[in-house]
Amino acid sequence: GAGVSQTPSNKVTEKGKYVELRCDPISGHTALYWYRQSLGQGPEFLIYFQGTGAADDSGLPNDRFFAVRPEGSVSTLKIQRTERGDSAVYLCASSYLNTGELFFGEGSRLTVL
Amino acid sequence: TQLLEQSPQFLSIQEGENLTVYCNSSSVFSSLQWYRQEPGEGPVLLVTVVTGGEVKKLKRLTFQFGDARKDSSLHITAAQPGDTGLYLCAGGSELSFGAGTTVTVRA
Repeated sequence: GAGVSQTPSNKVTEKGKYVELRCDPISGHTALYWYRQSLGQGPEFLIYFQGTGAADDSGLPNDRFFAVRPEGSVSTLKIQRTERGDSAVYLCASSYLNTGELFFGEGSRLTVL
Repeated sequence: TQLLEQSPQFLSIQEGENLTVYCNSSSVFSSLQWYRQEPGEGPVLLVTVVTGGEVKKLKRLTFQFGDARKDSSLHITAAQPGDTGLYLCAGGSELSFGAGTTVTVRA
């Protein structure tokens, strides 16, 4: 499809497990953002990529969270030793230019039991 | 991080009524964006405001950027049930979002 694709759409895991969430941005978009959203709240910024490099990772809550974008296209958000507080919808967005219009995926809903 | 505060948090109105939601900050923004999000979906951009004092209209939606570029408002005229959703403002280099206003328009 032409939009931002996120997989899986739903992920249920147990506390302490490792999780990977994938984002496939719109072709040609150089900027890629990861956000986390809790119910009824606005998206919380996690990390922003320009090309292959993380231009701003100041929103990652701790060192259990890590994200990569090795070829400047697909990105993976990795969460180690998951905790119940990590439960949220993880949104990915891409943009042709930094601070231009963000195009969001439908999100990956993570539930940590 | 530049913080954006949105008010009210919740708004429930009858079809045909008008409503206004606000986005405020103590910081100056070069631009602000407004998004609408429906359940189970990602936010969708409605408008970007860039110039202080700017007013943009999108059908029944009117967006205003404050003269000092620290605040913005969204006014909906004659609201319809299809306007129901979470309205979010966003700005800054990493595009920080406010907590949003949940709007419910009752038929």
